[in-house]
Amino acid sequence: QKEVEQNSGPLSVPEGAIASLNCTYSDRGSQSFFWYRQYSGKSPELIMSIYSNGDKEDGRFTAQLNKASQYVSLLIRDSQPSDSATYLCAVNYILTGGGNKLTFGTGTQLKVEL
Amino acid sequence: DAMVIQNPRYQVTQFGKPVTLSCSQTLNHNVMYWYQQKSSQAPKLLFHYYDKDFNNEADTPDNFQSRRPNTSFCFLDIRSPGLGDAAMYLCATSIQSGTINEKLFFGSGTQLSVL
Repeated sequence: QKEVEQNSGPLSVPEGAIASLNCTYSDRGSQSFFWYRQYSGKSPELIMSIYSNGDKEDGRFTAQLNKASQYVSLLIRDSQPSDSATYLCAVNYILTGGGNKLTFGTGTQLKVEL
Repeated sequence: DAMVIQNPRYQVTQFGKPVTLSCSQTLNHNVMYWYQQKSSQAPKLLFHYYDKDFNNEADTPDNFQSRRPNTSFCFLDIRSPGLGDAAMYLCATSIQSGTINEKLFFGSGTQLSVL
């Protein structure tokens, strides 16, 4: 069973601070990883993707990947109240029948406080 | 210019009454997926179509069926909904397959309530 683990939170940070969200995965052969943001009652929205070890930056977001430790993280700089949402970590698996399967963690709820 | 469209946004059905959820896409993607997300849980893949080929997840209950009459449309049929089937149902698409950087495009979801 391929698993993706996240701390459910809530993680509370003050406005303007750095929010750090973490994720571990069980399948050492996993190659691609995604972070989705999900507002309550809405569908997941892709924030970042990462495939190689190290850091990948996009605006206020930085994804970090360490395949040896099977660990993915998402840093959000200058956190804003609008960043308050659940962040889902997803690991991509290529399906033998065609297509790609995303296995999601249960998500970490982030609350950015004024 | 919505690309993956799910209707309706909210669906209420009665216990045991068949219900169909619909998904359409304007992206001309080969692959369409149905995910189920229960409250405070991770989205879970139910099945997917690669073109016309249907692929069921091993643990998807028989109560759930799907149809893809053409490239643009895909339907999720729940034959006899139970209270435990209340969830958000997410449709997603992707271009093809076999690449590690394949991205999924999600629709806005259908929230199903079972009374």
